[in-house]
Amino acid sequence: DGGITQSPKYLFRKEGQNVTLSCEQNLNHDAMYWYRQDPGQGLRLIYYSQIVNDFQKGDIAEGYSVSREKKESFPLTVTSAQKNPTAFYLCASSIEGTGNSPLHFGNGTRLTVT
Amino acid sequence: DAKTTQPPSMDCAEGRAANLPCNHSTISGNEYVYWYRQIHSQGPQYIIHGLKNNETNEMASLIITEDRKSSTLILPHATLRDTAVYYCIVRVAGGDGLTFGKGTHLIIQP
Repeated sequence: DGGITQSPKYLFRKEGQNVTLSCEQNLNHDAMYWYRQDPGQGLRLIYYSQIVNDFQKGDIAEGYSVSREKKESFPLTVTSAQKNPTAFYLCASSIEGTGNSPLHFGNGTRLTVT
Repeated sequence: DAKTTQPPSMDCAEGRAANLPCNHSTISGNEYVYWYRQIHSQGPQYIIHGLKNNETNEMASLIITEDRKSSTLILPHATLRDTAVYYCIVRVAGGDGLTFGKGTHLIIQP
């Protein structure tokens, strides 16, 4: 069954710790994306990658880092430099990074930092 | 990306057609119109997209005006499970992702 898997669904961390969120897809999609959603708000783009070994900053990249060593994986690290890390994080992928290619989303990881 | 304007909320009776409007008056010729929906605590679900022509799939129909400055998403026979936040998004051809606004909270009434 093809899709995007984000794990875990809920994650708790202490302030000052880095944490890595997992995103795996078996859709053979070239492009992958990370978004953040805060309560009552729309999604905001953190990072995106249109091809392996390449990625670009989105609108709110500060305090985050990513890697794209494999086509199917695009992990997101929330560093201690991110001032408000508690949020709902969503990963997505698309066949290619063009306007005519729909994004398909995972079911998210809810991160709570205390 | 061009901005979109959607009503914050709408109601629709179960079994009726739900018509969700979206204004995108600054849309460019190479920008696509996308619709997604999100049920609480889940990832957004892709519904449909189009460039100029009207589009239909198993979920919905997308009607784009001739001047492309507005569009309507039609859910032909709304059910209670269609209650969700619906996002209208315009995306450039060389897209680097989607820019989400606050969307329309559609409530289907029994």
